[in-house]
Amino acid sequence: DAGVIQSPRHEVTEMGQEVTLRCKPISGHNSLFWYRQTMMRGLELLIYFNNNVPIDDSGMPEDRFSAKMPNASFSTLKIQPSEPRDSAVYFCASSSDLGDRVPGANVLTFGAGSRLTVL
Amino acid sequence: AQSVTQLGSHVSVSEGALVLLRCNYSSSVPPYLFWYVQYPNQGLQLLLKYTSAATLVKGINGFEAEFKKSETSFHLTKPSAHMSDAAEYFCAVSRSGGYNKLIFGAGTRLAVHP
Repeated sequence: DAGVIQSPRHEVTEMGQEVTLRCKPISGHNSLFWYRQTMMRGLELLIYFNNNVPIDDSGMPEDRFSAKMPNASFSTLKIQPSEPRDSAVYFCASSSDLGDRVPGANVLTFGAGSRLTVL
Repeated sequence: AQSVTQLGSHVSVSEGALVLLRCNYSSSVPPYLFWYVQYPNQGLQLLLKYTSAATLVKGINGFEAEFKKSETSFHLTKPSAHMSDAAEYFCAVSRSGGYNKLIFGAGTRLAVHP
């Protein structure tokens, strides 16, 4: 398996532009997570999906952020309009709680991240 | 509510020396605990996990961690540091049972010098 695949790896955009980050989870994983990493705030969970359904979006900063998971193999995180304070590395991670000997143990596999710079 | 505190944002050791990275957790229910490692410009990789079986957990690359309920700790150790261990290490907690999200600590950056 190629692991969790994120695109783009790097994005530089201007304030006010729309940004779309993409994620392909590991095949067979039924949970997907979006995290944001910054120096100031560390790793923050933005939203997670289970079986394509958003379970907890309490970490989404504000209405400018939205996430979708139209099917088991694809998710997007959209920022519209983007602001300089959104500059961060955004990670997607997936996991499976099916067939794990310890259900709910949530071993996450992370993608390489998308580094976003908003000027 | 659950939380994780990692003591020391930066730790520096000599090659061959003991590595000790500290993690304390807070959880109102029995926790699952994890250590992840992040190398520069990469995502996080699982080092080891505790899921209420043996309290001493062995992971990859010679790392291990011991769950101590009385101290609410899950410190990460390695007997002899290698240059390749230089990275950032994250402790994380989730609730046991069912489906739950991971809460990460702030991270500890480990430097290994010759």
